[in-house]
Amino acid sequence: GAVVSQHPSWVICKSGTSVKIECRSLDFQATTMFWYRQFPKQSLMLMATSNEGSKATYEQGVEKDKFLINHASLTLSTLTVTSAHPEDSSFYICSASGTGPYNEQFFGPGTRLTVL
Amino acid sequence: GENVEQHPSTLSVQEGDSAVIKCTYSDSASNYFPWYKQELGKRPQLIIDIRSNVGEKKDQRIAVTLNKTAKHFSLHITETQPEDSAVYFCAASTFKAAGNKLTFGGGTRVLVKP
Repeated sequence: GAVVSQHPSWVICKSGTSVKIECRSLDFQATTMFWYRQFPKQSLMLMATSNEGSKATYEQGVEKDKFLINHASLTLSTLTVTSAHPEDSSFYICSASGTGPYNEQFFGPGTRLTVL
Repeated sequence: GENVEQHPSTLSVQEGDSAVIKCTYSDSASNYFPWYKQELGKRPQLIIDIRSNVGEKKDQRIAVTLNKTAKHFSLHITETQPEDSAVYFCAASTFKAAGNKLTFGGGTRVLVKP
């Protein structure tokens, strides 16, 4: 099956700093990547959808200037949390979707972000 | 946009019994309904999915039913085992050539008691 990796798996940072999370599709070309946020004991909330080479489409209520998404290649998307604050602490999960047999969403293992 | 409601939020069953989780959706254009299992701190794992052109799909102990008229779909797990304990999410989307956006239900925490 398709493999999606995320890096780092966990990160602790100080309030006010920026954190970059990488999402990679290892064995297929991801024309679309999705970024989700999941708070403890809650569901996955879609933050944004990104298509390779295009600007990301953000869901209502998600600040595009705070959560910067770049999808520069068919195998890599990055999410940068700028000026992180404790309320940004969460589990961030990406998923990748391609064409043909890779049409469904394949999820990364997630990144646990803790902002002190 | 799409809205997916999931019930119950928690479900405790005895090992060997069946578990049923129900979801409703709002957008009649949705045509793809996957179910995911998520263990604590791990990624969601697709366990079964169904498209709108069928009413039922089964894979060993897991089955999903879909009622398009009523806009609801259900997950059935038979002969539950302790390893079935996890959080289960339903989702709905409009399946396209690529990039199908999923809307998730709130999740059901399933506990299988040995």
